[in-house]
Amino acid sequence: EAEVAQSPRYKITEKSQAVAFWCDPISGHATLYWYRQILGQGPELLVQFQDESVVDDSQLPKDRFSAERLKGVDSTLKIQPAELGDSAMYLCASSPRPYEQYFGPGTRLTVT
Amino acid sequence: AQSVTQLDSHVSVSEGTPVLLRCNYSSSYSPSLFWYVQHPNKGLQLLLKYTSAATLVKGINGFEAEFKKSETSFHLTKPSAHMSDAAEYFCVVSLSGGSYIPTFGRGTSLIVHP
Repeated sequence: EAEVAQSPRYKITEKSQAVAFWCDPISGHATLYWYRQILGQGPELLVQFQDESVVDDSQLPKDRFSAERLKGVDSTLKIQPAELGDSAMYLCASSPRPYEQYFGPGTRLTVT
Repeated sequence: AQSVTQLDSHVSVSEGTPVLLRCNYSSSYSPSLFWYVQHPNKGLQLLLKYTSAATLVKGINGFEAEFKKSETSFHLTKPSAHMSDAAEYFCVVSLSGGSYIPTFGRGTSLIVHP
């Protein structure tokens, strides 16, 4: 069964450093989402792509976060510089149609 | 604008007893509603969804939820809890039609005692 792949699974970085996460959606899924999940809270949508275009990035802290999906397939989420408050689980999901999301295992980021 | 409130941060039940996880929503328009489950160290999995069809929705693993517009609720139930149901559950709201842009609740941790 096809799955959403994310790497790395765990990342420890020092504050002010740059960090990047990668997501490979299920083949053929046009829509891709990045979420941030702080411990004890629900996932918060950061950015949504339809193919290579951004559909919604209203919750993305654009001063330090960036996301791209250049060829409409895999995607990278970057944080520069990382802050202590960025420690969280970063989830990627892909979707073949509305209301049907498939989530990856996530990347757990710890900023020290 | 849309929001969702999960009324309990933790719910504790004994194996074999009924499960009730409560969710209330707020939406300016007709909503679509979902429940997801998250087991430790695993990705989120869709349990069930309501998208303006039947108000009683059946999902996987014996779970179901009822959309009650008058009460703005979408509570998740299961007649008999199993140990494997222990997990974090999230209620999600999105506008119907057009782009799916979801808002997640804070989650309810379901604890199942033997």
